[in-house]
Amino acid sequence: KAGVTQTPRYLIKTRGQQVTLSCSPISGHRSVSWYQQTPGQGLQFLFEYFSETQRNKGNFPGRFSGRQFSNSRSEMNVSTLELGDSALYLCASSYRGRVVIGANVLTFGAGSRLTVL
Amino acid sequence: ELKVEQNPLFLSMQEGKNYTIYCNYSTTSDRLYWYRQDPGKSLESLFVLLSNGAVKQEGRLMASLDTKARLSTLHITAAVHDLSATYFCAGNTGNQFYFGTGTSLTVIP
Repeated sequence: KAGVTQTPRYLIKTRGQQVTLSCSPISGHRSVSWYQQTPGQGLQFLFEYFSETQRNKGNFPGRFSGRQFSNSRSEMNVSTLELGDSALYLCASSYRGRVVIGANVLTFGAGSRLTVL
Repeated sequence: ELKVEQNPLFLSMQEGKNYTIYCNYSTTSDRLYWYRQDPGKSLESLFVLLSNGAVKQEGRLMASLDTKARLSTLHITAAVHDLSATYFCAGNTGNQFYFGTGTSLTVIP
């Protein structure tokens, strides 16, 4: 079956601009999480969406936002870009069931590499 | 907040040797996960450890979990070049995951 699909894979923006990244989860997966990966900070949790509702949020400023659609696809938006926002943004999906063994295993997409100039 | 620490951060080892990566976590974690990331690639799930004493093995990699010590280990047996990658451990509370900083493993011929 198809994996987690993220678009675009690479993008370059300038400071002050905004960006929208898209993530299509594995079919049947209803939870989508977003992570920021940088060499200095490692993998940091941004937020998780389930059933179109944000369920968890990491410690990021309000410039980072997201949403989930009824088909479980998710988007994240970063407004007023700063140089420090340059990173690999990873999306991960999971089933989020309560009793299925391994249900919480995250399956990651290939990522969207954002460069802010 | 669950904090996850890995060591070493960098590991260079010769082919054929054995080594262990350690993963300590600060508070109770629902489960413990190990992921692998190749350069420029995404993360791939290796193991999910569900309970105290759990041991999982796949090829030259074996992961174990000691919940009382809040410690998981990833043991590499007779390393080969193909194992060169960055390995992450992660814990979770519900659907919020916390990742270690990763261990960059280089296997030298």
